[in-house]
Amino acid sequence: KAGVTQTPRYLIKTRGQQVTLSCSPISGHRSVSWYQQTPGQGLQFLFEYFSETQRNKGNFPGRFSGRQFSNSRSEMNVSTLELGDSALYLCASRPNQGKSPKTQYFGPGTRLLVL
Amino acid sequence: AQTVTQSQPEMSVQEAETVTLSCTYDTSESDYYLFWYKQPPSRQMILVIRQEAYKQQNATENRFSVNFQKAAKSFSLKISDSQLGDAAMYFCAYRSKETSGSRLTFGEGTQLTVNP
Repeated sequence: KAGVTQTPRYLIKTRGQQVTLSCSPISGHRSVSWYQQTPGQGLQFLFEYFSETQRNKGNFPGRFSGRQFSNSRSEMNVSTLELGDSALYLCASRPNQGKSPKTQYFGPGTRLLVL
Repeated sequence: AQTVTQSQPEMSVQEAETVTLSCTYDTSESDYYLFWYKQPPSRQMILVIRQEAYKQQNATENRFSVNFQKAAKSFSLKISDSQLGDAAMYFCAYRSKETSGSRLTFGEGTQLTVNP
């Protein structure tokens, strides 16, 4: 099976712009989670989608949003970019939601630089 | 809220030797999952090993094993016969089993260097 894919891999934007990142989960995986990784804050959970519904949300401002499509692909959007949004954004997929021990598998990430 | 702490920002080991990475966590839950992920320079997060809290037996995956001490809320990773390819950032992570969802809480990470 193909792994989790994320596009684009690298992105440069300027303050005030908006950006959309895409994540395609492993085939058959219905849960998609997003994480932000920065040197200062480490790995922080953004949100999770399952069956096109947001199930969990981390402590991020409303500028960060996401959605999931019927084929389980997910996008996250950041509006009004700030310098502090520069980070590696990781997407992870899992076969199903619930209390299954099944593991999350991560994509290669999208590196966003805000100038 | 759960927290995960990795008190060793950096560790180094000689090739073929053994190294142990530490992780402690805080939770009021009784059932949960713990994971160790590896992040090499490529930035791809790779699962190393996982442990279910209700299982008393420590998980083992080839050269990787854990020492899970539930009462002490400790979850250390032992890497035996270290290889150059083991050099990476290692993250300890917690996931609740009492609530649905995939949310992982990560520690700060430990940068492992393997010396030839």
